[in-house]
Amino acid sequence: DQQVKQNSPSLSVQEGRISILNCDYTNSMFDYFLWYKKYPAEGPTFLISISSIKDKNEDGRFTVFLNKSAKHLSLHIVPSQPGDSAVYFCAAGLSGGYQKVTFGTGTKLQVIP
Amino acid sequence: SQTIHQWPATLVQPVGSPLSLECTVEGTSNPNLYWYRQAAGRGLQLLFYSVGIGQISSEVPQNLSASRPQDRQFILSSKKLLLSDSGFYLCAWDQVALAKNIQYFGAGTRLSVL
Repeated sequence: DQQVKQNSPSLSVQEGRISILNCDYTNSMFDYFLWYKKYPAEGPTFLISISSIKDKNEDGRFTVFLNKSAKHLSLHIVPSQPGDSAVYFCAAGLSGGYQKVTFGTGTKLQVIP
Repeated sequence: SQTIHQWPATLVQPVGSPLSLECTVEGTSNPNLYWYRQAAGRGLQLLFYSVGIGQISSEVPQNLSASRPQDRQFILSSKKLLLSDSGFYLCAWDQVALAKNIQYFGAGTRLSVL
């Protein structure tokens, strides 16, 4: 049972354009969401997060949007840069106790110079 | 600052051999610790987590085990490796009081069972 889904395994975008990565979840109890970025042979690194009480969070070129009614979140990268090429994982979690998060399957982003 | 160390970076082991992967965290105390495995098309699968010394919870039945002999040390083990144990293993930590809801990952271990 995949509670967090990233239906696009890969995405190619021209440098300077917008990258939009999507994520869907099924558990309405999730109350916080995160995006991680992963380069090959490295561990994921935290990128940006959003609480369920918000619908948007912005950090520089990265913006995460949350649509609770649709159980959908997206990550926008504007403008996209070649260094953004990586695998992006979305994750969702429940507050309280230890912080177990459920990760999506990842989307491989390629930014073409 | 906090750092997480995971080793070895790569490992090639024959089927039936034992396994020991180690992870240590520096610069914090009483972290939550996690072992994940990344498989192709499967994302990050949580294998074990620990909220304290000697406290291990398993998320999925498997050929692996975990131990936490010290506060900042987390070990992933197997007595006899299977081919299906091949994958990329990641250790992570977090701490509610320090950074809400964010897990920090080690560099990972690429395990190939032949």
